[in-house]
Amino acid sequence: AQKITQTQPGMFVQEKEAVTLDCTYDTSDPSYGLFWYKQPSSGEMIFLIYQGSYDQQNATEGRYSLNFQKARKSANLVISASQLGDSAMYFCAMREKPNTGKLIFGQGTTLQVKP
Amino acid sequence: SQTIHQWPATLVQPVGSPLSLECTVEGTSNPNLYWYRQAAGRGLQLLFYSVGIGQISSEVPQNLSASRPQDRQFILSSKKLLLSDSGFYLCAWSVRTSALTDTQYFGPGTRLTVL
Repeated sequence: AQKITQTQPGMFVQEKEAVTLDCTYDTSDPSYGLFWYKQPSSGEMIFLIYQGSYDQQNATEGRYSLNFQKARKSANLVISASQLGDSAMYFCAMREKPNTGKLIFGQGTTLQVKP
Repeated sequence: SQTIHQWPATLVQPVGSPLSLECTVEGTSNPNLYWYRQAAGRGLQLLFYSVGIGQISSEVPQNLSASRPQDRQFILSSKKLLLSDSGFYLCAWSVRTSALTDTQYFGPGTRLTVL
């Protein structure tokens, strides 16, 4: 069965520094998609970045980048130049199978940015 | 641009009472629609998803049900609420494709407390 694991329940980072949030996944399907979402205290889930299993390069979106290591089955989110507004819960998710559109979510990592 | 609405934003209901949560999407046609539940401090659990009017797939057996009376309307219901139904309910939509890149976009959520 497909599974997403986020082993860091909580993380702290100093403002303006970079931080890496870990995500490992398990699947036997060669085709899959990986997503990261941010959930601030308001509750809304905000899409951040996507990485496809066949993508040759690591995905980047502004200050967000994905350290994709396919052999290790990891897709860690890197946030550069942390800002106070980055304080939130972050979820890694994987598309289960392309024809259903369903996402499997990890348990999340709470990030707190210190001034 | 597309927007997704959910109401109510918060709800406090007694055990055994009925429930109706509504989700509507604007700015797109024929979307896939999803209902998720999030327990406090936990990841998201997919409850239902729909690929079209009247087409509902249930992921978790429970006393909840979903309906899609219109293309861009998704309703979550219960005839008798249980204490365990408390949580944060999120609706999401995605473009109806089978692509791995298909991203789900979430609404603001409904916080339900069953007393």
